[in-house]
Amino acid sequence: DTAVSQTPKYLVTQMGNDKSIKCEQNLGHDTMYWYKQDSKKFLKIMFSYNNKELIINETVPNRFSPKSPDKAHLNLHINSLELGDSAVYFCASSQVPLGSGANVLTFGAGSRLTVL
Amino acid sequence: AQTVTQSQPEMSVQEAETVTLSCTYDTSENNYYLFWYKQPPSRQMILVIRQEAYKQQNATENRFSVNFQKAAKSFSLKISDSQLGDTAMYFCAFMKPMIYNQGGKLIFGQGTELSVKP
Repeated sequence: DTAVSQTPKYLVTQMGNDKSIKCEQNLGHDTMYWYKQDSKKFLKIMFSYNNKELIINETVPNRFSPKSPDKAHLNLHINSLELGDSAVYFCASSQVPLGSGANVLTFGAGSRLTVL
Repeated sequence: AQTVTQSQPEMSVQEAETVTLSCTYDTSENNYYLFWYKQPPSRQMILVIRQEAYKQQNATENRFSVNFQKAAKSFSLKISDSQLGDTAMYFCAFMKPMIYNQGGKLIFGQGTELSVKP
């Protein structure tokens, strides 16, 4: 199926650990994103990559490091996890439309990270 | 900077009735896009409806329609004939047009939790 897929869907870990969340899209899009949804369900962009190049880097602690090995993959690595990192992390992708086509992001199903 | 405000944290509606969710936004841009996303308990973000600011005609998608008031910077979502499956968190979002090599950045409101009651 064509989609944005994230793994793992659930991740429970201890404070201080390092963890990664992987994202892959087979839509042929050239831009990928990470969004964070906090405990109050507020969604905010963290990073965006276009063809493996970082183009958006919001004020995110540098314990968070995105990596894009190719334009179909965008992984999120988090070092020294803290309680406040508990959230749902969404990957998304988009393609700049030709003409007046749709300006739409396609989201993955989210990865719920719980830090104990 | 753009902001999006949803002033109704929770709403409920009886099955088969109509409900309207409110959204206001602030921007100095003239061209932009507005969206309503639905997030059911499954957590998946589902695009409900999209509006281009340069179009005066309000967007409709089956039972979902919007009331877009550009001058008032208001973008409400009307759900007609509400169904139990409409129970979800609804997010209003703003985006400037995508730019080549820059993608697009969605700015979300706080969300409205909608419960459809049988």
